[in-house]
Amino acid sequence: GIQVEQSPPDLILQEGANSTLRCNFSDSVNNLQWFHQNPWGQLINLFYIPSGTKQNGRLSATTVATERYSLLYISSSQTTDSGVYFCAVGKTSYDKVIFGPGTSLSVIP
Amino acid sequence: EPEVTQTPSHQVTQMGQEVILRCVPISNHLYFYWYRQILGQKVEFLVSFYNNEISEKSEIFDDQFSVERPDGSNFTLKIRSTKLEDSAMYFCASGGHEQYFGPGTRLTVT
Repeated sequence: GIQVEQSPPDLILQEGANSTLRCNFSDSVNNLQWFHQNPWGQLINLFYIPSGTKQNGRLSATTVATERYSLLYISSSQTTDSGVYFCAVGKTSYDKVIFGPGTSLSVIP
Repeated sequence: EPEVTQTPSHQVTQMGQEVILRCVPISNHLYFYWYRQILGQKVEFLVSFYNNEISEKSEIFDDQFSVERPDGSNFTLKIRSTKLEDSAMYFCASGGHEQYFGPGTRLTVT
């Protein structure tokens, strides 16, 4: 099956700093999503981005499908950005998604 | 904005008991999924459901597990005889191109 890797595994940032999280996957995909898991355990959809670039406020994401990676950019980080960020991929749009191990982000004031 | 809902938010049960976890997917979605996350680990796929039947299941989804869509709105996961290792957060998801996840049910088996 598809393997998904994420880096870095852990990240500590000062409030206001920028960061880049990376997701590598081992096969072609038609679904790629980024999630934020908040301290209560909820999975919040950030981006559906099987290819291209999207922006939503301070967050943006880019997927280069031909090179099998995706990047999530967080600018001007805030303490509420803390949590675990997961990348999840699927072979087709309706297939199960396979989650990476996540990047645990802590933003300190 | 439509969302996936799950009940209960937290369930505590004794080993060997049956539990039913409930989900209400987004109303115009046709594909439904259950995933689980053991504390501190990554989210794992359990089962997908389409057109009133299972379309795929993982190795975790053994004979102790079953899913059902008893009416037009609910989607349930039943664990027949719970084990300690079933303790986890269970997420329901629904979707088309993009999957939307519910808030999860935290299951604790004692």
